[in-house]
Amino acid sequence: GESVGLHLPTLSVQEGDNSIINCAYSNSASDYFIWYKQESGKGPQFIIDIRSNMDKRQGQRVTVLLNKTVKHLSLQIAATQPGDSAVYFCAENIHQGGKLIFGQGTELSVKP
Amino acid sequence: DTEVTQTPKHLVMGMTNKKSLKCEQHMGHRAMYWYKQKAKKPPELMFVYSYEKLSINESVPSRFSPECPNSSLLNLHLHALQPEDSALYLCASSQDLGAPAFFGQGTRLTVV
Repeated sequence: GESVGLHLPTLSVQEGDNSIINCAYSNSASDYFIWYKQESGKGPQFIIDIRSNMDKRQGQRVTVLLNKTVKHLSLQIAATQPGDSAVYFCAENIHQGGKLIFGQGTELSVKP
Repeated sequence: DTEVTQTPKHLVMGMTNKKSLKCEQHMGHRAMYWYKQKAKKPPELMFVYSYEKLSINESVPSRFSPECPNSSLLNLHLHALQPEDSALYLCASSQDLGAPAFFGQGTRLTVV
């Protein structure tokens, strides 16, 4: 079936530390993955994406890792800041039909 | 213009009312989406339009009626809603199916 899930519902880190948010997916046909950040009262904000022909992609302070063998996706945030506090969703895109399925989300809390 | 604009931001309607949610983008995107999000939950896909044609309907009740008048606009017509339909309704667009989707800030709907 199609499902995208996250291992931890909440994550609390100290300001300046690195954060790692994990995600598992089950659909082998998925070829594209996106991480979104959603702050309270706002819509999801695109952070970074990765296609299935890649293992790693880096952005500004963020890195996404894809392990297709175990169907696992992670988002690493370097030097986490209070402004990073939000709910983070991974989303799985199955190209045929453009269906974007969201995981359950992880709430990241950054302690000053 | 890199925004997806949704109006209104907040809407309160009675169960016998008819109302419409509006979404607009001027990025030249050819795919547009409606999602529903309940508190503390991930966005759930409702409808996908591709090149102004309905591509996906996720078995949404007929009291929700989408419309895509042109490539920049997406409407969601509401009629005879139930209190459990109260949620944040998110619109998104992407260049094409399988491309990154960008979200608006949502319409907070309350059905009384």
